[in-house]
Amino acid sequence: DQQVKQNSPSLSVQEGRISILNCDYTNSMFDYFLWYKKYPAEGPTFLISISSIKDKNEDGRFTVFLNKSAKHLSLHIVPSQPGDSAVYFCAASALSGAGSYQLTFGKGTKLSVIP
Amino acid sequence: SQTIHQWPATLVQPVGSPLSLECTVEGTSNPNLYWYRQAAGRGLQLLFYSIGIDQISSEVPQNLSASRPQDRQFILSSKKLLLSDSGFYLCAWSEQGGHEQYFGPGTRLTVT
Repeated sequence: DQQVKQNSPSLSVQEGRISILNCDYTNSMFDYFLWYKKYPAEGPTFLISISSIKDKNEDGRFTVFLNKSAKHLSLHIVPSQPGDSAVYFCAASALSGAGSYQLTFGKGTKLSVIP
Repeated sequence: SQTIHQWPATLVQPVGSPLSLECTVEGTSNPNLYWYRQAAGRGLQLLFYSIGIDQISSEVPQNLSASRPQDRQFILSSKKLLLSDSGFYLCAWSEQGGHEQYFGPGTRLTVT
């Protein structure tokens, strides 16, 4: 049972336009959400996060929106640049039985920004 | 600043051979440590996590084991590899009480 879903495996966007990546979750125990960017053959890089008590967090060209009632979050990249082409993973955090936070990842969305 | 290292970067091993992947973290103390696997076309699957030396929790029963002999060292092992163990193995760390995890460069394992 997938608790974090990224329903679009891929997305193509023209350079300079907005990229919107979506993520849905099912577990109400998730209280923190993160986006990671991953290039081929490299480890994921932390991009931006949001606490469940907020509905928006912005960092430069990247904004994450959280709709807690719909259990939905999205990552907006504007303007999109060719260097943004990568796989983007959505992750949700919950406290584990051992007392540390664990992340549950979606399967990723491959973003291609076309020059 | 903190850095995380993994080695080797790539590995090709025959079925039935042993495995040892190493991960070390610098610039922090008492981190939480994690091993993930990314199979082709799949997301990141948590395999093991550790909140301290010799404290390992397993998420998925399988052919692999993990150990943490030192505070900033995390090792992933297998006595006999299976074909299904092929994948991209990632080590990550987080601060105690922190949500954000920071990943190493990964090890590409191919079992033949």
